Amino acid sequence: DIQMTQSPSSLSASAGDRVTITCRASQGISNYLTWIQQKPGKAPKSLIYAASNLQSGVPSRFSGSGSGTEFTLTISSLQPEDFATYYCQQYNSFPPTFGGGTKVEIK
Amino acid sequence: EVQLVESGGGLVQPGGSLRLSCSASGFTFSSFPVHWVRQAPGKGLEYVSSINHNGYTTYYADSVRGRFTISRDNSKNTVWLQMTSLRAEDTAVYYCVKVSNSGWWPLDYWGQGTLVTVSS
Repeated sequence: DIQMTQSPSSLSASAGDRVTITCRASQGISNYLTWIQQKPGKAPKSLIYAASNLQSGVPSRFSGSGSGTEFTLTISSLQPEDFATYYCQQYNSFPPTFGGGTKVEIK
Repeated sequence: EVQLVESGGGLVQPGGSLRLSCSASGFTFSSFPVHWVRQAPGKGLEYVSSINHNGYTTYYADSVRGRFTISRDNSKNTVWLQMTSLRAEDTAVYYCVKVSNSGWWPLDYWGQGTLVTVSS
């Protein structure tokens, strides 16, 4: 199975900050990567697919980049509603696997 | 508006069975694969199972293969996950997930989840 490793596992930031989360795959996955947001007690929400494409309705402050084994999710200006846990997920090969998550907390 | 509503969760003893349902609306259900993803309390997301648009192709995680069965009825816009020989480690919120297009991936819209607790 492909292992997905996220860093950091948690971070503290203030509203307005630029935040970057990294996801590394144990082998190349081309751009078959999704970023998922989950707020406490809520269902997950898919934000980005194919590494860099925003799902419909996702604010443009979110962006994704990368290919192969290294990927990043960037929030250009953190908003109060962005405090959540973020997961990456590869769908290049079966079984699909998720990163361990990055919790973005209020500083 | 796309809606996925899971039901059927609850408390079950180890070795028991449970059937989860995912009722869909707001899109052409018969055109899309559906996946189940679970999340143990306080833990991350874990893939469980998938079914293609017509129900003829299914996939399972190693951890549930042979114990769980996924199926669908497009006339009822519903997917089921039949779970047998349940173990404590199956305790989780189970999410039904739609994909963006007619292919297997990527994940798009998630239901609100249903909690399965396996305990004596």
